[in-house]
Amino acid sequence: DQQVKQNSPSLSVQEGRISILNCDYTNSMFDYFLWYKKYPAEGPTFLISISSIKDKNEDGRFTVFLNKSAKHLSLHIVPSQPGDSAVYFCAASASGTYKYIFGTGTRLKVLA
Amino acid sequence: DAGITQSPRHKVTETGTPVTLRCHQTENHRYMYWYRQDPGHGLRLIHYSYGVKDTDKGEVSDGYSVSRSKTEDFLLTLESATSSQTSVYFCAISESLNSWNTEAFFGQGTRLTVV
Repeated sequence: DQQVKQNSPSLSVQEGRISILNCDYTNSMFDYFLWYKKYPAEGPTFLISISSIKDKNEDGRFTVFLNKSAKHLSLHIVPSQPGDSAVYFCAASASGTYKYIFGTGTRLKVLA
Repeated sequence: DAGITQSPRHKVTETGTPVTLRCHQTENHRYMYWYRQDPGHGLRLIHYSYGVKDTDKGEVSDGYSVSRSKTEDFLLTLESATSSQTSVYFCAISESLNSWNTEAFFGQGTRLTVV
């Protein structure tokens, strides 16, 4: 039972354009959401997070949007750069559980 | 970078042998986690710890055990390794603030091959 789903295994975007990565979740108890970036042979690194009391959080080129009614979140990267090419994981947790449940990842390729 | 060290970084072992992976942190974070990463499955939680001697199962705990005798160390043991446990294993740590979760920080990973 996949509680966090990333339905697009891969995405290609031209440099300078917007990258939009999507994530859906099924557990209505989740109230904290995170995005991680992973390069080959490295551990995942934290990018940005959002709590359920917000619907948007922005950090530089990265913005995360949360639609609680649809149980959907998305990560926007503007403008996309070749260095953004990596696998992106979304994750979710519920207060008090201290567990992070991850999606299957989306491989982003930014074309120069 | 968060102070997380995983050892060994690479290991090849034979089916049926016991294997222990170590995660060491210098951040004094309360929570520690073991994940495995496999193609098509993303990162799956094996076990986690919410304090010294306090551990619980994750999504894929069968065939694995853990121990945490000190805040800084979290050990993952494969009692009898199988080929299905060939994977990349990641340790992570996190802290909570006023009961709200915060981000988790990951180690560099251990690539385990069971032959």
